[in-house]
Amino acid sequence: NAGVTQTPKFRVLKTGQSMTLLCAQDMNHEYMYWYRQDPGMGLRLIHYSVGEGTTAKGEVPDGYNVSRLKKQNFLLGLESAAPSQTSVYFCASSRLTEAFFGQGTRLTVV
Amino acid sequence: GQQLNQSPQSMFIQEGEDVSMNCTSSSIFNTWLWYKQDPGEGPVLLIALYKAGELTSNGRLTAQFGITRKDSFLNISASIPSDVGIYFCAGLGSASYDKVIFGPGTSLSVIP
Repeated sequence: NAGVTQTPKFRVLKTGQSMTLLCAQDMNHEYMYWYRQDPGMGLRLIHYSVGEGTTAKGEVPDGYNVSRLKKQNFLLGLESAAPSQTSVYFCASSRLTEAFFGQGTRLTVV
Repeated sequence: GQQLNQSPQSMFIQEGEDVSMNCTSSSIFNTWLWYKQDPGEGPVLLIALYKAGELTSNGRLTAQFGITRKDSFLNISASIPSDVGIYFCAGLGSASYDKVIFGPGTSLSVIP
């Protein structure tokens, strides 16, 4: 049972490049989330989804887009990467109040 | 907006010592969660608290939901090297996880 799997684990982008982070869960959870983690700031919610075909903005959505075409997958896109988007990105899925996190994607934008 | 404060920000303790950390907020929460994040990994849920005054244990870990519903506490007894990591508290004001607020974390280092 893999739980929540994120791809890739590391990536370096140049300013202005685009990329997509993939999150896959095998627990049949309805809710999925994307967070970013920056030193001393905890986890901040970027976007989330309450079910297949639905997405909603979180606390820090600017510069990101998401899609949930299949229940088990939640994609996070950066259309034009900026240095301020250098961070560690975590995907999570949940049933009710208990969330399960992936291992994270460390993204550096230079 | 809502914010959580965690203290201490970091701790360096000797193996075998007990650890106490807390999480406070100016807002009331209905649920408190405690997560641990190992280096290079995602957070893992340790304990969930759902009622004011609730005291819940998970092995050497004990957490309490404060009576005022504005705070929570986590204690670790007889610390061991694998307790090293960042401990996050999180509060929910409603049943849906999109409203969860995470604290900035307490970094724990255990000296063998």
